[in-house]
Amino acid sequence: EAQVTQNPRYLITVTGKKLTVTCSQNMNHEYMSWYRQDPGLGLRQIYYSMNVEVTDKGDVPEGYKVSRKEKRNFPLILESPSPNQTSLYFCASSSQPGHNSPLHFGNGTRLTVT
Amino acid sequence: ILNVEQSPQSLHVQEGDSTNFTCSFPSSNFYALHWYRWETAKSPEALFVMTLNGDEKKKGRISATLNTKEGYSYLYIKGSQPEDSATYLCAFRGSARQLTFGSGTQLTVLP
Repeated sequence: EAQVTQNPRYLITVTGKKLTVTCSQNMNHEYMSWYRQDPGLGLRQIYYSMNVEVTDKGDVPEGYKVSRKEKRNFPLILESPSPNQTSLYFCASSSQPGHNSPLHFGNGTRLTVT
Repeated sequence: ILNVEQSPQSLHVQEGDSTNFTCSFPSSNFYALHWYRWETAKSPEALFVMTLNGDEKKKGRISATLNTKEGYSYLYIKGSQPEDSATYLCAFRGSARQLTFGSGTQLTVLP
């Protein structure tokens, strides 16, 4: 089944403790992206990747890192999480960076930083 | 950061009513306009990707129109059903690299 898989679905952690949220897609998509969703703000882009070894900042990249060493994986790294990073996170992919391809979303990761 | 606005923020309609909502986006540097449907506790799913001024797309009872010159798109739902209850997101692509989402319209269809 074609899908984007994120793990974990739920995560509670403490300030400053490094964490990684994994994202994997099995559709051979070139484009991958991370979004965070906060009430009243919609989905805001954190980082995106046009292809392997090509990543770029989105609208809200501060406090996050990503890597794209393989086409299928695009992990989101929080080196030192803070409470303002408590949010719902979505990974998404599409078949090409161009304008005609819809995004396929993972199931989301709800992160709480205390 | 690009300004993509959706209205209304939320609405309640009765089963069987038809409804529509609006997505406004910059009228310059247009690549595409996406619509997604997001049900509670699930992930957003693509409804339409629209690329040409005057485009009209249809999927069952849901349709959408696009006006790139004035920077708006309408989403229509004909004969709303309770299973149509969801948040409807639009997203504007102003370059090949980035997609900017609106904050969504939350639709509740009352039986």
